[in-house]
Amino acid sequence: DAGVIQSPRHEVTEMGQEVTLRCKPISGHDYLFWYRQTMMRGLELLIYFNNNVPIDDSGMPEDRFSAKMPNASFSTLKIQPSEPRDSAVYFCASSLGQEQFFGPGTRLTVL
Amino acid sequence: KQEVTQIPAALSVPEGENLVLNCSFTDSAIYNLQWFRQDPGKGLTSLLLIQSSQREQTSGRLNASLDKSSGRSTLYIAASQPGDSATYLCAVRLQGQNFVFGPGTRLSVLP
Repeated sequence: DAGVIQSPRHEVTEMGQEVTLRCKPISGHDYLFWYRQTMMRGLELLIYFNNNVPIDDSGMPEDRFSAKMPNASFSTLKIQPSEPRDSAVYFCASSLGQEQFFGPGTRLTVL
Repeated sequence: KQEVTQIPAALSVPEGENLVLNCSFTDSAIYNLQWFRQDPGKGLTSLLLIQSSQREQTSGRLNASLDKSSGRSTLYIAASQPGDSATYLCAVRLQGQNFVFGPGTRLSVLP
């Protein structure tokens, strides 16, 4: 397996634009997680899914953030509209309920 | 609210030394604890997972211990090598699949 795949790896956009981050989990994994990492706040859990269903989105910072998982092999994290304070590295991870496996991350810069 | 801390924040050692990284958590009601390494600009790589009922786990030169009652875990690295240079993070799993990460320890192993 290729591991968790994320795209794009880097995204630079202007304030107010919509941003969509993508994730393909490891095949067979039934949990999918979205995290955000910043220097100030470290690594924070935003939302996680189980069998494509959102279970806990209490970490989603604002209504500008939304996440979907239309099927077992694909998930998106959308920010609309984006703001400079959203600049961070966004990680996707998947698991079978125990050990988590992380993707390489998407570095988002909002100008 | 669960808080995870890691001491020291940064550590620099000469090659060949044995070293210990510390992780503390405030609430002992955890399901497991996972140690990761993160290389600059990369995602997180899982090192060891310790279930709440276990005391320690070993993988090669790495040994992780868990004392749930005192809210502490240690990661022991034997015979350190320059390739071990990275940031090491611990994460505790709470109820459900909620994970709380520590801020990490930045390790430099000097040749």
